[in-house]
Amino acid sequence: EIVMTQSPATLSVSPGERATLSCRASQSVSSNLAWYQQKPGQAPRLLIYGASTRATGIPARFSGSGSGTEFTLTISSLQSEDFAVYYCQQYNNWPPLYTFGQGTKLEIK
Amino acid sequence: EVQLVQSGAEVKKPGESLKISCKGSGYSFTSYWIGWVRQMPGKGLEWMGIIYPGDSDTRYSPSFQGQVTISADKSISTAYLQWSSLKASDTAMYYCARSPVVVVPAAILHYGMDVWGQGTTVTVSS
Repeated sequence: EIVMTQSPATLSVSPGERATLSCRASQSVSSNLAWYQQKPGQAPRLLIYGASTRATGIPARFSGSGSGTEFTLTISSLQSEDFAVYYCQQYNNWPPLYTFGQGTKLEIK
Repeated sequence: EVQLVQSGAEVKKPGESLKISCKGSGYSFTSYWIGWVRQMPGKGLEWMGIIYPGDSDTRYSPSFQGQVTISADKSISTAYLQWSSLKASDTAMYYCARSPVVVVPAAILHYGMDVWGQGTTVTVSS
């Protein structure tokens, strides 16, 4: 089973600054990687799929990169509404089996 | 509007059975996989399994295989997650989410889990 490891566990950044979140896979997942945002009391929201494609309605300040085992989610200029927990998720081509990372909490510095 | 609406909160005793639901609307329910995700109190997301309502093809995470049953009734556009004997450790929020997967010649394209239900809280306590 592929294990996804996110770092850091908590990231403290000031509004307006850039945030960089990392996700590592225990073996290559190609570009089969998605990112989600979850705010307290809410369901997760899809941000990125295919490692770098923004989902519908996601602002351009969110970008994803990487392939193989190393992935990054970058938020270029943090807005107040961006402080949340972020999860990466890998998906197997076939059969469709998915695994989440443990999450990174992005907090206000 | 594409949406998934889940059944309401449940409070159960250990050993009881339970079936929660996830009803899709605004899209072709039989053409998209539906996944289930667990979130224990204060913890992260855990992917449990997935079903294709069109033919009921079902896959489970190894961690949840044998612990839960995922099913669907395409006639009413509803997916289900069920337990035969609940444990206190099943206390969690459970989400369903649509998972588009497109098979084209020489490729299988995934689009993440793009539409989520509001979640169902399950509390198991004696």
